[in-house]
Amino acid sequence: AQTVTQSQPEMSVQEAETVTLSCTYDTSESDYYLFWYKQPPSRQMILVIRQEAYKQQNATENRFSVNFQKAAKSFSLKISDSQLGDAAMYFCAYRSRTNKLVFGAGTILRVKS
Amino acid sequence: GAVVSQHPSWVICKSGTSVKIECRSLDFQATTMFWYRQFPKQSLMLMATSNEGSKATYEQGVEKDKFLINHASLTLSTLTVTSAHPEDSSFYICSARDPVADTQYFGPGTRLTVL
Repeated sequence: AQTVTQSQPEMSVQEAETVTLSCTYDTSESDYYLFWYKQPPSRQMILVIRQEAYKQQNATENRFSVNFQKAAKSFSLKISDSQLGDAAMYFCAYRSRTNKLVFGAGTILRVKS
Repeated sequence: GAVVSQHPSWVICKSGTSVKIECRSLDFQATTMFWYRQFPKQSLMLMATSNEGSKATYEQGVEKDKFLINHASLTLSTLTVTSAHPEDSSFYICSARDPVADTQYFGPGTRLTVL
């Protein structure tokens, strides 16, 4: 079974600075997808970024980018120019061939003004 | 982006009663929907996978008779918590998979409180 590990329960970043959230996963599959979701206080899950395992190029969405290291099974999220609205719980997730999502424990991101 | 709705957004019920939660995909047909449970400050735990027109597939440890799932159409799945007890109090979230976009979209969640 696949597992997703987020080792940082909480992170803090100063507004306008950069922060990196860590995620590692374990799987025996070769074809899969990885995601970062944001859950603000409203608790609505919002897709931040996705990465297909077969793509070597790291995904980027505006201020959000990932560092995908397939051999190391690592998938970190970098948030540049942090904004107050980035404060939320961030979940790393793995999607298997059955389309099920396996979530990590989450990282609470606090943004200081 | 695509929209998934859930109704109700919150519900309070007495112990022993049943509660139905609806999950609708508003602008796409979802052949597969998923139901999650989330406790405060914890991650989402998959409860079951709901496929249109067939029986739901439950994750290990989830009671099928307790959490009834029906996926009668391509835009609607329902979760019924039967004979609810205080320990069933939680935040329930559904997601719907858009096969064309190959993406899961999440509903806003339902907060269930059982007194």
